[in-house]
Amino acid sequence: GAVVSQHPSWVICKSGTSVKIECRSLDFQATTMFWYRQFPKQSLMLMATSNEGSKATYEQGVEKDKFLINHASLTLSTLTVTSAHPEDSSFYICSAPRVSSYNEQFFGPGTRLTVL
Amino acid sequence: KNEVEQSPQNLTAQEGEFITINCSYSVGISALHWLQQHPGGGIVSLFMLSSGKKKHGRLIATINIQEKHSSLHITASHPRDSAVYICAVGGNQFYFGTGTSLTVIP
Repeated sequence: GAVVSQHPSWVICKSGTSVKIECRSLDFQATTMFWYRQFPKQSLMLMATSNEGSKATYEQGVEKDKFLINHASLTLSTLTVTSAHPEDSSFYICSAPRVSSYNEQFFGPGTRLTVL
Repeated sequence: KNEVEQSPQNLTAQEGEFITINCSYSVGISALHWLQQHPGGGIVSLFMLSSGKKKHGRLIATINIQEKHSSLHITASHPRDSAVYICAVGGNQFYFGTGTSLTVIP
């Protein structure tokens, strides 16, 4: 079946640094990818929609200058958490629908970010 | 009111028991996903449903589109089934339930 990978699976960084998280569709093309965030004991919340070749669309309350999204190719979207702070510590997950069948979503395994 | 409601929130079962987790939703959907999240956070997609029923090993998922309800069943539960099970619904955008935390005791 189709696979979506994320890298890294976990990262620890110092406050003030930037962290890049990659989301790749390994055997299909995805013009759109979604980024979610999950705080402890809460459900996943959509942060932004990444669009290949155009700007990402952000959900209300998500700072676009802090969470930079780049969808440079049909198989790769990156989320960069800039000037990370401890409150950005969270579990970040991406998903990607297959172009040919939009309602077939594939979820990445997630990236655990801890900001010290 | 949340778009997706799961029940129960927490579930403890003895090894071997039959387990049911329920998901009700209020939005129109193209598909419903059941996800499994282990301690440490990694997500595994168990099922994607748009109608009817699917079975994979000891797991069975059903969906009733008219009633906007889905169930995930685990037969002959095992301690390794202990995880959080999340219902996600949508099409263009997905809405997630808060999850059901399952603990299977040996």
